[in-house]
Amino acid sequence: DTGVSQNPRHKITKRGQNVTFRCDPISEHNRLYWYRQTLGQGPEFLTYFQNEAQLEKSRLLSDRFSAERPKGSFSTLEIQRTEQGDSAMYLCATGTSGGNTDTQYFGPGTRLTVL
Amino acid sequence: AQSVTQLDSQVPVFEEAPVELRCNYSSSVSVYLFWYVQYPNQGLQLLLKYLSGSTLVKGINGFEAEFNKSQTSFHLRKPSVHISDTAEYFCAVSDRIDMRFGAGTRLTVKP
Repeated sequence: DTGVSQNPRHKITKRGQNVTFRCDPISEHNRLYWYRQTLGQGPEFLTYFQNEAQLEKSRLLSDRFSAERPKGSFSTLEIQRTEQGDSAMYLCATGTSGGNTDTQYFGPGTRLTVL
Repeated sequence: AQSVTQLDSQVPVFEEAPVELRCNYSSSVSVYLFWYVQYPNQGLQLLLKYLSGSTLVKGINGFEAEFNKSQTSFHLRKPSVHISDTAEYFCAVSDRIDMRFGAGTRLTVKP
């Protein structure tokens, strides 16, 4: 257990529905990352926050995806109008910008299945 | 942008044998390098990392990796594997903000 928690762990939804995932970071970590991992592949970077500011978004992130980190602590990732191709494991990772820079600690992930 | 290639998608090996999982990277800037392990139905766990200094890095569970700048490689090694090492292993490269992962190597340790 890295100290990063994600909820829910599993989500099954019908195509066209909206879903929201939550990530709670290690308390002193000011950086937070979202990744998507499909079967047989490594994690793909989606977006990155430093404190409450969203500093980078991947070109993979379509307009149906939005992420927030309103108070610089927990973060949410919302997918609107889900498609079957959105089925994947969504991973959150956190880290710090000082000291042990660039070490990311991963949560257990949220597995999304779109029917 | 940086990228990572893991040269073997699957590596089967017998218990107590040595193993090497290969990783090559490309980047136009200096990078940090990582190996993560993912056990079934679990999140990624950091095995070891290279940030600077000694090119031989030791990690948890008896794993080590060597950074070779001229060959742009960061291969992972263990002298004697256990059944419990069966997992997916991911090599990753970071330019301090953006982290890119390889496709993973499935290590299967057989009795």
